[in-house]
Amino acid sequence: AQSVTQPDIHITVSEGASLELRCNYSYGATPYLFWYVQSPGQGLQLLLKYFSGDTLVQGIKGFEAEFKRSQSSFNLRKPSVHWSDAAEYFCAVGATGGGNKLTFGTGTQLKVEL
Amino acid sequence: DAEITQSPRHKITETGRQVTLACHQTWNHNNMFWYRQDLGHGLRLIHYSYGVQDTNKGEVSDGYSVSRSNTEDLPLTLESAASSQTSVYFCASSDGARGRLNNEQFFGPGTRLTVL
Repeated sequence: AQSVTQPDIHITVSEGASLELRCNYSYGATPYLFWYVQSPGQGLQLLLKYFSGDTLVQGIKGFEAEFKRSQSSFNLRKPSVHWSDAAEYFCAVGATGGGNKLTFGTGTQLKVEL
Repeated sequence: DAEITQSPRHKITETGRQVTLACHQTWNHNNMFWYRQDLGHGLRLIHYSYGVQDTNKGEVSDGYSVSRSNTEDLPLTLESAASSQTSVYFCASSDGARGRLNNEQFFGPGTRLTVL
């Protein structure tokens, strides 16, 4: 079965600083990988996704993520964080075996200091 | 605009009561999903549906049931609410055949359920 690990529960960065959120996955084949963002009191919104092809994927709101098969990682990055990026971020892996289901990580809470 | 809605947004109930949470989407999506979100666990899949009369158990289905009688709605029923079911519940929907992963899941705003 697939699994996702987000090692950082909380991260605090200063506005304008760069950001990297870590995600490691476990899955036997090439996974479908996703990053979602959840603002307080809201549902989840898709930031970006990777299925195949170019390992560096661009998403909304200036986010990007890089798939590294050798490290089983799919880290999320942003070169300059804005105060409005404060939210919780979830990495998810999708597997085609057993019904096309998503498995989510436990999330990383991002705080942005002004 | 098409959307996915959940009701109620907040619910307090007592142990042993039956509770039904509503989910309605206007995208005409085939696939609908119910998740629960708990601190330290992220989102976990409760039940999912790939179409009318096609429902399946997810990772944490014990104590929950769903029924899909039309495309737009997937109500989640807690047969006999327990304190362990206090959580935030999210409904999602996506297009494509059998939950095709290429297609984005769109999430509702969530229902916060407290079982006393």
